[in-house]
Amino acid sequence: AQTVTQSQPEMSVQEAETVTLSCTYDTSESDYYLFWYKQPPSRQMILVIRQEAYKQQNATENRFSVNFQKAAKSFSLKISDSQLGDAAMYFCAYRTYGQNFVFGPGTRLSVLP
Amino acid sequence: DGGITQSPKYLFRKEGQNVTLSCEQNLNHDAMYWYRQDPGQGLRLIYYSQIVNDFQKGDIAEGYSVSREKKESFPLTVTSAQKNPTAFYLCASSTNGANEQYFGPGTRLTVT
Repeated sequence: AQTVTQSQPEMSVQEAETVTLSCTYDTSESDYYLFWYKQPPSRQMILVIRQEAYKQQNATENRFSVNFQKAAKSFSLKISDSQLGDAAMYFCAYRTYGQNFVFGPGTRLSVLP
Repeated sequence: DGGITQSPKYLFRKEGQNVTLSCEQNLNHDAMYWYRQDPGQGLRLIYYSQIVNDFQKGDIAEGYSVSREKKESFPLTVTSAQKNPTAFYLCASSTNGANEQYFGPGTRLTVT
């Protein structure tokens, strides 16, 4: 069965600095999708970024980028120029065709002014 | 506006009562999901449906029931058999490919 691991329960970053959140996953599939979701205090789940496994190029969305290492089954999220509004729980998720989503346990990110 | 709505935002019930949480989507998605989230925890899958009139148990289905009579709607009933029903409940939908899930705003259920 697929699993997603986030080894950092909590992280903190100074405002305007850069932080990297880790995610590893286990799968025997070759074609799949990976996602990072953000859950702020409102508890609304918001998609931050997605990565298709067949694409070698790392996805970017403004200040958010990923480092996707397929062979290592690693999918880390880098947040540049951190802002107070980035404070949230961040969940890494995996999905392959015909299967349900598998979510990691989450990393709580604090942004210090 | 396309999206997923869940109502109500907060729900209070007495122990022993069944309660139904609403989830509606106008994204034309085939698949819909219910998750439970406890404080400081991740998401656990309760039930999912990939097509109208069909649904499957997730990891923690005991004490819950669902129906999928319409594509747009996937209500969740928390029955009196659920031992610890107080939690935050999230509904989501997606296409049946490998695309992302879209989430509703959630319902906070408190049972006393």
